[in-house]
Amino acid sequence: DQQVKQNSPSLSVQEGRISILNCDYTNSMFDYFLWYKKYPAEGPTFLISISSIKDKNEDGRFTVFLNKSAKHLSLHIVPSQPGDSAVYFCAAREKGGAQKLVFGQGTRLTINP
Amino acid sequence: DTAVSQTPKYLVTQMGNDKSIKCEQNLGHDTMYWYKQDSKKFLKIMFSYNNKELIINETVPNRFSPKSPDKAHLNLHINSLELGDSAVYFCASSPQGLAGGYEQYFGPGTRLTVT
Repeated sequence: DQQVKQNSPSLSVQEGRISILNCDYTNSMFDYFLWYKKYPAEGPTFLISISSIKDKNEDGRFTVFLNKSAKHLSLHIVPSQPGDSAVYFCAAREKGGAQKLVFGQGTRLTINP
Repeated sequence: DTAVSQTPKYLVTQMGNDKSIKCEQNLGHDTMYWYKQDSKKFLKIMFSYNNKELIINETVPNRFSPKSPDKAHLNLHINSLELGDSAVYFCASSPQGLAGGYEQYFGPGTRLTVT
């Protein structure tokens, strides 16, 4: 029973355009959401996060939107650059307890020149 | 200066063997984790230690035993390896653990292949 889902295994975007990566979750107890970026043969690196009390967080070219009623979040990258080509993981933190992170299965983003 | 390091990077071994993966972080973090990324690419938490104390222990076979000699190290020992243990194992650390500190910093991963 996967509580965090990224339904698009891959996405291809032209350089300079907007990349939109989507993530859905089922657990209402998640209170914090994160996006990680992963290059081949490397570990995931933290990109951006958002608290469940907000609906938007922006950091340079990266913006994360949270729609709590739809249990949906998205990562917007604009403009997309070739170096953005990587696998992007959505993750959610459970409130209380040990506060573990639950990850989605990732979306491979390819930026075409 | 690698923040979270793992050794070895690749590990090929036969079924039934016992092996260990080592993890070290030089970030001064209190909490460390082990994740498994299986063939379906999901990253799933296995264990978490906060200041050498086990705080997360997911449903993992008891053939897997984490050991934390100090808060900078979290090693993973696997007994009687099985084919299904083949995966990439990631170590991670975070600054505050239970108190917050949502960002986790990952090592480069160890690709384990059991033949």
